Amino acid sequence: AQTVTQSQPEMSVQEAETVTLSCTYDTSENNYYLFWYKQPPSRQMILVIRQEAYKQQNATENRFSVNFQKAAKSFSLKISDSQLGDTAMYFCAFMKAQGAQKLVFGQGTRLTINP
Amino acid sequence: SQTIHQWPATLVQPVGSPLSLECTVEGTSNPNLYWYRQAAGRGLQLLFYSVGIGQISSEVPQNLSASRPQDRQFILSSKKLLLSDSGFYLCAWENRDNEKLFFGSGTQLSVL
Repeated sequence: AQTVTQSQPEMSVQEAETVTLSCTYDTSENNYYLFWYKQPPSRQMILVIRQEAYKQQNATENRFSVNFQKAAKSFSLKISDSQLGDTAMYFCAFMKAQGAQKLVFGQGTRLTINP
Repeated sequence: SQTIHQWPATLVQPVGSPLSLECTVEGTSNPNLYWYRQAAGRGLQLLFYSVGIGQISSEVPQNLSASRPQDRQFILSSKKLLLSDSGFYLCAWENRDNEKLFFGSGTQLSVL
């Protein structure tokens, strides 16, 4: 079974700073996907970024980028030029590439951006 | 474009009462559909998933059941709610073209 671990329950940074959220996972699969989801106070789950395990290039989406280290099973999220609207819970998630695509989530990191 | 609708947004039910939460998807066909539950301050736990009409897989034994009477409709039910059924329930659909899951806005269920 796959597991996802987020070791930082809470983080806090000042607006405009860069912050990195950590995530590690455990799997015996070779083909899979990794995700970061954002859950603001509205509780809507919003897809931030996705990484395919077979791609060496790290995914980027505007101010959001990942550092994917497949051998180390590490998948961190970097938020550059952080904004007040980035305040949210962030969840790392794993999904196998075959079969029904069931997401396995970490426990989340509560990120607060201070003005 | 594809959209997912989930209702109601909030629900307060007494112990022992029935439950029916509905989720519908628009703008796509034959999606994989999912029900997740989120306990307060915790991550999401997969409850059920469906790859087609009438096809339901359960991930954890529980007091809940799911049904998929139509291609884009997914229903979460219970005959008799327990206190432990309280939580935030999220429906999701999967875009099979790019293996991404998109979530509905969720239902906060309080069983009293």
